[in-house]
This record gives sequence, structure tokens and C-alpha cells, in this order.
Amino acid sequence: DAGVIQSPRHEVTEMGQEVTLRCKPISGHDYLFWYRQTMMRGLELLIYFNNNVPIDDSGMPEDRFSAKMPNASFSTLKIQPSEPRDSAVYFCASSFSEFGNQPQHFGDGTRLSIL
Amino acid sequence: DQQVKQNSPSLSVQEGRISILNCDYTNSMFDYFLWYKKYPAEGPTFLISISSIKDKNEDGRFTVFLNKSAKHLSLHIVPSQPGDSAVYFCAAIGNTGKLIFGQGTTLQVKP
Repeated sequence: DAGVIQSPRHEVTEMGQEVTLRCKPISGHDYLFWYRQTMMRGLELLIYFNNNVPIDDSGMPEDRFSAKMPNASFSTLKIQPSEPRDSAVYFCASSFSEFGNQPQHFGDGTRLSIL
Repeated sequence: DQQVKQNSPSLSVQEGRISILNCDYTNSMFDYFLWYKKYPAEGPTFLISISSIKDKNEDGRFTVFLNKSAKHLSLHIVPSQPGDSAVYFCAAIGNTGKLIFGQGTTLQVKP
């Protein structure tokens, strides 16, 4: 079975540019999560969706960050304009449930470097 | 405010021995605790979980113990194998839907 698929795997861009990260969740999973991993803050939840609707975006750091889920099989995380402090690994995860009895399955992440 | 803490950044054990990874939490509202394993350049992979109403869950070589009064859980790997070398994350979740991760412990299993 295909797992969570993220693209691109690596992105290097200059400060001020728009960055778009993409995620395809596991088929049948109703929940999709975006995480960011940094040395300072570890793995932190940015936003999550249920049935394509954003449920909690309290972890989104600034208005420069936005996330959409136009359909059950695709989600994007955009940063505009990007800044060097946005450099991190961004993970997407999906699950049958928002509760612990159904674990979240992670993609392999996008390593983002903003110069 | 770190709700889930893994105080040991690293652990080294000999192949065949037991590995014990520890995790502490502060929020008594968490109702599930999970362990994830992460290899370099890959995403975290779910390993094992435990409900807050239990004190032990076992899956093959992996056992998780929960001590609610101490707000402490541990992951035991017996016997440890070189392929177990990875970063292990403890995570907790309540009814908010938010999975809260610890900082991770790097386990090295020496042949």
C-alpha cells in the first residue's frame, strides 16, 4: 500500500520567494496533519484537516503560512514570502482518526532551505 | 511549556541487551501515548501505543509501560538489534486531536 507521499523531497530557494509543499494522504484517511521539525522546537503540529476542512490551525506560525486541502487526496502548505527562519523539515501525516487509537502515518518530509 | 519530555538525548546499548527509553509528561488529560521510530531522511514510523487506562502493552520485542501516578512511560526493546538504531519519539494525545512530541532519544545498538 502506498504511504503518505510528499513532494518535493528537498527545496532550496531564496528569501522572499513563494514555497509550495505538497502532500497526498493515504487513501481512506479522513484526517491530514502538517508538522514542522526544527532543532529548537522539535516536531510541532501546524494545522490539521478533517474531511478537507481545517479544524485547528493554531500552530501556523504567521500569516505567511497557509494550507489548503481541495480534495481528499491532496493538500498544500504555502509560505509566502519565505524567510530563512522557515528552514526546517516539513512532514505531512494522515490518519483515520484524530484520536490516539488510530496512529498517524507520516510521509518522508520536505527539507526546506531558505537562503 | 514542554508537555512531553525525553530527558535523555542519546542511549547506547550492546546488541542482544535491553534498551529502555524514557518519557515524562505533564498533562494528565492525555489519553493515548505513542512511540515513533525515525531513521535519517525518513518520516517517523509508528511503533507502539498505549491507552491511559492500561499500564502495559506488548508487541513482539517492544513493550511500553505506563505509570500514570508518576506521569512516566518507558519503551523496552528486548533483545536490541543493530537495526533498532534510530531516533525514538515519545508522543501523547488527548481529546484535542493534537499529537504532542518529545524531543527524541537517539538509540545506538552496537554489534
